[in-house]
Amino acid sequence: GAGVSQTPSNKVTEKGKYVELRCDPISGHTALYWYRQSLGQGPEFLIYFQGTGAADDSGLPNDRFFAVRPEGSVSTLKIQRTERGDSAMYLCASSSTGLAAYNEQFFGPGTRLTVL
Amino acid sequence: QKEVEQNSGPLSVPEGAIASLNCTYSDRVSQSFFWYRQYSGKSPELIMSIYSNGDKEDGRFTAQLNKASQYVSLLIRDSQPSDSATYLCAFLNNAGNMLTFGGGTRLMVKP
Repeated sequence: GAGVSQTPSNKVTEKGKYVELRCDPISGHTALYWYRQSLGQGPEFLIYFQGTGAADDSGLPNDRFFAVRPEGSVSTLKIQRTERGDSAMYLCASSSTGLAAYNEQFFGPGTRLTVL
Repeated sequence: QKEVEQNSGPLSVPEGAIASLNCTYSDRVSQSFFWYRQYSGKSPELIMSIYSNGDKEDGRFTAQLNKASQYVSLLIRDSQPSDSATYLCAFLNNAGNMLTFGGGTRLMVKP
């Protein structure tokens, strides 16, 4: 079956603009995660959804970042007033269940965000 | 101290040799550990998960976990040039919802 998909694959924007990044998880996966990866570093957790609700948003760096998953499937990560420091690869992952010791997370191809 | 420590490399091995990748972690309650492979410009791909002390083998890959020493490793037998990538070690937090990653080890397999 299809894996996690993310759109767009690349996004270039100007400082101060608003962007939306979309993630479509593996069909049937109830848990969805957003991570951010800067060059030369490992991914860093942003937010976790179980179904429609954000069960853990402790990784969001500030209130410019927000994510939704209104129907428990597709999720959108929203970044307001973008800053150059927001430039990174934004990765979405999904798993069949959350909150389990054997929780394998599968990543999408990512969205490369560049803020000029 | 970082929560997950990996040598950034590059680790260079000849084709056909065994590549040994190591990772230490600080969270003593972690139960689940994962190795991801990441090619340049691509996203991480899950290659191994391990939950119990000891070895777990899958094809050319063997993951080793020692919870007492807070140490996990990945062995790649008969290394191929196509194995050249960055290998990321990660553990799952106690709540089971967040992966914490190391910075990755870059592996280069030379023909």
